[in-house]
Amino acid sequence: GQQLNQSPQSMFIQEGEDVSMNCTSSSIFNTWLWYKQDPGEGPVLLIALYKAGELTSNGRLTAQFGITRKDSFLNISASIPSDVGIYFCAGRPSGTYKYIFGTGTRLKVLA
Amino acid sequence: KAGVTQTPRYLIKTRGQQVTLSCSPISGHRSVSWYQQTPGQGLQFLFEYFSETQRNKGNFPGRFSGRQFSNSRSEMNVSTLELGDSALYLCASSPGQSSSYNSPLHFGNGTRLTVT
Repeated sequence: GQQLNQSPQSMFIQEGEDVSMNCTSSSIFNTWLWYKQDPGEGPVLLIALYKAGELTSNGRLTAQFGITRKDSFLNISASIPSDVGIYFCAGRPSGTYKYIFGTGTRLKVLA
Repeated sequence: KAGVTQTPRYLIKTRGQQVTLSCSPISGHRSVSWYQQTPGQGLQFLFEYFSETQRNKGNFPGRFSGRQFSNSRSEMNVSTLELGDSALYLCASSPGQSSSYNSPLHFGNGTRLTVT
């Protein structure tokens, strides 16, 4: 099925470091969502973006809706061990009600 | 407000059997979407129901079917199970109306299906 390109696939970082991940698409999206999934649980919504250029924060997390409407990024500042998990982006293409998910970024934080 | 509830959490079935999974959306949400999650393929969209009607469908074979009841609860059925159907099946709800197309999806914790 159709998927977004999400990178990196995985990353190991030291506690306290900042983290950045992004998603790109060949299609224009009207909505970008960022989720975190812990083992054995469903994805939990972190940030929702609705307008090109929008920059939204949620605690140590900041996400932006790209100007071209074809990309989005998520930053995590001063990472902590509980940030470990898989982060997914999801986008809703213009003219549809179906969300498409990225392949996920697996984050591991070394204490 | 209670979240999205999926039952059962775990299922073990053998090839050829069929299975039914259940999802109760957040109160007031009328749209329910189903996704299959596997390590190799990520989150793949199965179908979406709104007001008891299938509104969107992914690229899965006809063995995968669903329905939605008048109270917005939804069930998903997989018939003639294959080994490759082993996955985490996630349900997500949202308000669903055209006025809220941008509303994000809220997920349940999924049903882990193992086919042996």
